[in-house]
This record gives sequence, C-alpha cells and structure tokens, in this order.
Amino acid sequence: EAGVTQSPTHLIKTRGQQATLRCSPISGHTSVYWYQQALGLGLQFLLWYDEGEERNRGNFPPRFSGRQFPNYSSELNVNALELEDSALYLCASSLAFGDRSYEQYFGPGTRLTVT
Amino acid sequence: GDSVTQMEGPVTLSEEACLTINCTYTATGYPSLFWYVQYPGEGLQLLLKATKADDKGSNKGFEATYRKETTSFHLEKGSVQVSDSAVYFCALGAGGYNKLIFGAGTRLAVHP
Repeated sequence: EAGVTQSPTHLIKTRGQQATLRCSPISGHTSVYWYQQALGLGLQFLLWYDEGEERNRGNFPPRFSGRQFPNYSSELNVNALELEDSALYLCASSLAFGDRSYEQYFGPGTRLTVT
Repeated sequence: GDSVTQMEGPVTLSEEACLTINCTYTATGYPSLFWYVQYPGEGLQLLLKATKADDKGSNKGFEATYRKETTSFHLEKGSVQVSDSAVYFCALGAGGYNKLIFGAGTRLAVHP
C-alpha cells in the first residue's frame, strides 16, 4: 500500500513569492493534515481538511491556505513568503472520524527555503 | 490548553543499553497518546499508540504504557541498536479536532 506522498521534495523561493506544496493521502483516507516543522519551534499543526472542507486551523496567518480536491489530495499555499516560513512542511492523512482519526500517517515532507 | 512535555535530549547510549524517554501530558478528557519517530532526512513514522488508561503500546521492541494517574507515556526499550538513532516525538490527540499536539522531540544517538 502506498504511503503519503508529497511534492516537491525541496522548494526554494524568494521573500514575497508564493509557494505551493502538494500531498496525496493514503488510499481510503479522507482527512489530510498539514504541519510545520521549523527549527527551534517543533511540530505545529497548520490545517485539517476533510471531504473538501477546512475543518480546523492552527495559529497561523491567513496567508497560509490550502484546499482539498475530490480525490482527497491536497495543496498548501503560502503567500507573501517570509524568511521565517523556511521549514519542513509535513502532510499527514487519516480516517476522518472514530478512534483511529488521530492515527495520522506522515509523508516525507517538503523542505521550503525562503531566501 | 493541551500540551506535551518530553525530556530534553540529546540522549546518547551505547548499543544494547536500556532506553527511557520521559513524556508527560496535560489534557482535558482522555486523549489518545502516540510516539512517532523521525529518522534523519525523513518524515514521521507512527511507532506506537495507546488510546485509554493502562493500555500498553508496543512495536519494534519499544513499549509505552498510558498512565492516567501520573499523566505519563514514557517510551522504553530494553536494548537499543545503532539503527534506533533518530528523533522521538510524543504526541497526544484530543479535543475533537483531529489535531495532534507534539512534544519538542528527543534526539537519540546510539553508538556501537
């Protein structure tokens, strides 16, 4: 069974530009999550999508946004990039509800570098 | 709010030594508890989980027991290998919003 996949592996952008990160969940999982792993800040929850809707959002500004497509894949967009957005962005997927909904499976991540 | 506290690393051990990484949590209700492992250059892998008090999660020789009375979920392994070198994250899932809250991570280095 294929795991969570993310693309690209690495992304280098300039301050003020926009970045788009992509994620495909495990087959059968309808929920997709995005986390930011920045140096010194640990893993922070960004967004949760399920059935095409944003269900929950972490403490991040509105320039972090995303969407989920009918095939449950997801995109994370970061607008007006700032230097502190440099981080590893991890996508995870899970079943939507029930006891296993917290059992999240992670992809390898996209390393975003803002210069 | 909900939070997870892990022992600070790095933890440096010789091969075949015993490992304990402490994890305590603060949460309302009865969270699910997890240990994730991150090998160098990779994403997170779910190592083990426990969903209710006194549950013991286990995988690959690692164990952790959900202790409600001490709000703890310490990770243990009887004999570590060089291949166990990684960063270990304790996490809790609570609040009904499917959000995982992670500890800061503990880096483990195992030497031959």
